[in-house]
Amino acid sequence: EAQVTQNPRYLITVTGKKLTVTCSQNMNHEYMSWYRQDPGLGLRQIYYSMNVEVTDKGDVPEGYKVSRKEKRNFPLILESPSPNQTSLYFCASSLSGTVDSYEQYFGPGTRLTVT
Amino acid sequence: LAKTTQPISMDSYEGQEVNITCSHNNIATNDYITWYQQFPSQGPRFIIQGYKTKVTNEVASLFIPADRKSSTLSLPRVSLSDTAVYYCLVGDFGIIFGKGTRLHILP
Repeated sequence: EAQVTQNPRYLITVTGKKLTVTCSQNMNHEYMSWYRQDPGLGLRQIYYSMNVEVTDKGDVPEGYKVSRKEKRNFPLILESPSPNQTSLYFCASSLSGTVDSYEQYFGPGTRLTVT
Repeated sequence: LAKTTQPISMDSYEGQEVNITCSHNNIATNDYITWYQQFPSQGPRFIIQGYKTKVTNEVASLFIPADRKSSTLSLPRVSLSDTAVYYCLVGDFGIIFGKGTRLHILP
């Protein structure tokens, strides 16, 4: 089944403790991205990747890192999480980032709480 | 990136046709218009994409006038399960979701 998977689905952690949220897709998609969703603010893009070893900042990249060493994986790293990073996170992928291929497939979401 | 403006919320009744209009005055020549649907605590789901005139699929229709400064998502005969947030997106890279339109279908 074509899908985007994220792990973990729920995470409660403490300020400053490094964490990684994994994202994997099995559709051989070139484009992958991370979003966070907060009440009243909609979905905001954190980082995106057009292909392996190519990443770029989205709207709200501060406090996050990403890497794209393999086509299928795009982990989101929080080196020193803070309470303002408490949010619902979504990973997404699409065939490419070009204008005619914007059908993004989203993962189930990761609900992160930083205390 | 072109900014979009859409109504914050809309109410409608089961069985009716719902039209959600999105304004994108600064749309660029290369930009496509894409609509997504999102249910609570789920990731958005692609509905439809278009460049100009009219596009129709099994779920919705998308109407785009000649000047492309706006677009209208049309949902035929809605049901309670169409209650969701609908996002209009315009752009070529670094896709931006706004706050969307919260559609509430009443019985």
